Amino acid sequence: KNEVEQSPQNLTAQEGEFITINCSYSVGISALHWLQQHPGGGIVSLFMLSSGKKKHGRLIATINIQEKHSSLHITASHPRDSAVYICAVTGRGSTLGRLYFGRGTQLTVWP
Amino acid sequence: EAEVAQSPRYKITEKSQAVAFWCDPISGHATLYWYRQILGQGPELLVQFQDESVVDDSQLPKDRFSAERLKGVDSTLKIQPAELGDSAMYLCASSSRGANYGYTFGSGTRLTVV
Repeated sequence: KNEVEQSPQNLTAQEGEFITINCSYSVGISALHWLQQHPGGGIVSLFMLSSGKKKHGRLIATINIQEKHSSLHITASHPRDSAVYICAVTGRGSTLGRLYFGRGTQLTVWP
Repeated sequence: EAEVAQSPRYKITEKSQAVAFWCDPISGHATLYWYRQILGQGPELLVQFQDESVVDDSQLPKDRFSAERLKGVDSTLKIQPAELGDSAMYLCASSSRGANYGYTFGSGTRLTVV
């Protein structure tokens, strides 16, 4: 069983729609990361959070530590948001910083 | 903005040949990670360095893979001999003091073994 589970695996939306990607994890964590991967393969870090909520432009990330769940929201989605979104966690007490990754959510936004 | 440099960007090699990838982390980042990402899956850690020392290589197939970071700066990942199942994206990442202080990924090397 994977330590990090994401849903949905694939998501298609029309431009302007509000999008939610979910992540649940089964281990104690010290931080959770949301990453974006475009078709070229490079990965960009969007958020790192350990509690509450963070916002950057049209992206919002929330985490509920008690429920071991995080969500990534995209408001007013745009075709340029099309990418794979990956949830990853750093285990609690892990001083080495290894990340455990979900399988990713492929988002496609149509104009 | 500082970047993690990786080369080559793409590599096609024949089965049983040797192949090497290079990574130059962000200056000052002590921790360097090599990940392998098979199409449709999340990245999996191959090896983690703290300065020049390996701190985790439990998932590295040591019969064919090797990694080094001799001066604690740039790093090389080698596969010899390459197998068809090694076709994947190889990603390098670095952080200053572990992932809780932020991660930066390189653009990756796409390896195809034929």
